[in-house]
Amino acid sequence: SAVISQKPSRDICQRGTSLTIQCQVDSQVTMMFWYRQQPGQSLTLIATANQGSEATYESGFVIDKFPISRPNLTFSTLTVSNMSPEDSSIYLCSVVENTEAFFGQGTRLTVV
Amino acid sequence: QKEVEQNSGPLSVPEGAIASLNCTYSDRGSQSFFWYRQYSGKSPELIMSIYSNGDKEDGRFTAQLNKASQYVSLLIRDSQPSDSATYLCAALGPSYGKLTFGQGTILTVHP
Repeated sequence: SAVISQKPSRDICQRGTSLTIQCQVDSQVTMMFWYRQQPGQSLTLIATANQGSEATYESGFVIDKFPISRPNLTFSTLTVSNMSPEDSSIYLCSVVENTEAFFGQGTRLTVV
Repeated sequence: QKEVEQNSGPLSVPEGAIASLNCTYSDRGSQSFFWYRQYSGKSPELIMSIYSNGDKEDGRFTAQLNKASQYVSLLIRDSQPSDSATYLCAALGPSYGKLTFGQGTILTVHP
């Protein structure tokens, strides 16, 4: 199974600032996925990150707020921009290998 | 209508009992189905996957899939307090790698 290293594991940020979350996979994968889990809620897909092309965003999520980079087949970043308290969530990256999805450890973000 | 819907919780069972978690999905193009366990403050952990109609057993866990009824379930036998967590049902749709999650069911196993 794929091993995903995600960092930071948690952060407390001031409103109006930005935070970049990194995910490193131990194997090459075509697509990486970014999810958000708001407090008490389930996981919602933010976007799909493909290497060499623009990320594909789900309804309700825009590139200006959540820019994504995918410089190679093992790495991706998600930036949460101009943060507000409503962005306080757990953010998770994921990959699919042999039709099974695996997750990074998650980033618990608190915006104050 | 939610794409993946789980039975409302929370669910409370005594230690040693069978816990039954249910899930329905709306997209008939969904290919694979997963059950994740999530402890508070942790990321989801895959516990079962199922792709074909019928039952799949792994230790104390049994997943059941009925594609005609668009129904997935998870049975936990001999429930333990350590099974207390939120259980998430997810469906892998036609769009490669895109998982849709249910809202989760909180399970509490009391001694």
